[in-house]
Amino acid sequence: AQTVTQSQPEMSVQEAETVTLSCTYDTSESDYYLFWYKQPPSRQMILVIRQEAYKQQNATENRFSVNFQKAAKSFSLKISDSQLGDAAMYFCAYRSADNYGQNFVFGPGTRLSVLP
Amino acid sequence: DGGITQSPKYLFRKEGQNVTLSCEQNLNHDAMYWYRQDPGQGLRLIYYSQIVNDFQKGDIAEGYSVSREKKESFPLTVTSAQKNPTAFYLCASSRLGASTGELFFGEGSRLTVL
Repeated sequence: AQTVTQSQPEMSVQEAETVTLSCTYDTSESDYYLFWYKQPPSRQMILVIRQEAYKQQNATENRFSVNFQKAAKSFSLKISDSQLGDAAMYFCAYRSADNYGQNFVFGPGTRLSVLP
Repeated sequence: DGGITQSPKYLFRKEGQNVTLSCEQNLNHDAMYWYRQDPGQGLRLIYYSQIVNDFQKGDIAEGYSVSREKKESFPLTVTSAQKNPTAFYLCASSRLGASTGELFFGEGSRLTVL
């Protein structure tokens, strides 16, 4: 079974600075998807960024980018120019690319605080 | 706008009562899911469904039941058999197929047992 680990329960960053959240996963599959979700105090989960395992290029979405190291099974999220609105829980998630691999596996989350 | 609607947002239950949480989506997604979230933990899968009238147990299905009579709807019943039902419940949906991507989530329902 796949597992997702986030080793940083809490992180903080100064406004306008850069922060990196760590995620590692364990799988024997070669094709899969990885995601970062944000859960603000409103509690609704919002997709931040996703990465297809077959793509070597790291995904980017505006201020958010990932460092995907397939061999190391690592998938870190970098937030540049941090803003107060980035404060939230961040969850790393894994999903098999199998047609019927409907089970998404989530990490325990990292709580990010942004200091003014 | 397309999305997922969960209701109610807050629900209080006395011990021994069954309660049903509603989840409706207008994204035309085939797959729907129920997750439970407890403080300090990630999301744990309760049930999921890929097609009408069919659903599968997730990791923590005991004490819960679901139905999928319509593609748009996937209600979750928390039964009296669930020993510790106080939690935040999230409904989600996704497309099926190898090219699919992410889960889309509702705003969640917080259940408190008094």
